Amino acid sequence: SQTIHQWPATLVQPVGSPLSLECTVEGTSNPNLYWYRQAAGRGLQLLFYSVGIGQISSEVPQNLSASRPQDRQFILSSKKLLLSDSGFYLCAWSVQWSGLYYTFGSGTRLTVV
Amino acid sequence: KNQVEQSPQSLIILEGKNCTLQCNYTVSPFSNLRWYKQDTGRGPVSLTIMTFSENTKSNGRYTATLDADTKQSSLHITASQLSDSASYICVVSGSSNTGKLIFGQGTTLQVKP
Repeated sequence: SQTIHQWPATLVQPVGSPLSLECTVEGTSNPNLYWYRQAAGRGLQLLFYSVGIGQISSEVPQNLSASRPQDRQFILSSKKLLLSDSGFYLCAWSVQWSGLYYTFGSGTRLTVV
Repeated sequence: KNQVEQSPQSLIILEGKNCTLQCNYTVSPFSNLRWYKQDTGRGPVSLTIMTFSENTKSNGRYTATLDADTKQSSLHITASQLSDSASYICVVSGSSNTGKLIFGQGTTLQVKP
């Protein structure tokens, strides 16, 4: 069966520090991968998606970047965090070419202080 | 513009009562509609998914309906339990190879004893 792992679960970082959140998927190959952010009391906002290794599409301009160094690994990064980067970050995967199978990770609560 | 609107924004019911959450969408073309349950601080978990040809789908005490003509969906919860307290998110997928989803803002349900 397929599983998605996202870590860490919570993170408190000072303003200006770097960020690296990791997401890995097991039990499938060539998945579509996604990073979402959910601000408090708000809906999910798609930040990045990837349809293959090294292929990253950005949905909104921001202080963050994403990379996909391996087929089942998706990384969300920042060189210098801003207060506005605080939020709940979710990784998700789907079967490529199909919108039917869509699974979310457990999320990372990021607080920038 | 592709949008998903949910109502009500929040809802409080007594344990054992039924409730219905609404979702209207303007996404076109349409591929499928999903309902997710998101517990506080956790990733969304899929409850139901319906394609264009499906009118209703059940998952235990959860029953979703879809009217593709009027572009409306509802999620009915029967005999509510305290564990049903969560945010319920309606998500619509258009016909896209990337699997990008359009998210509603969610309905926050609180079940009280």
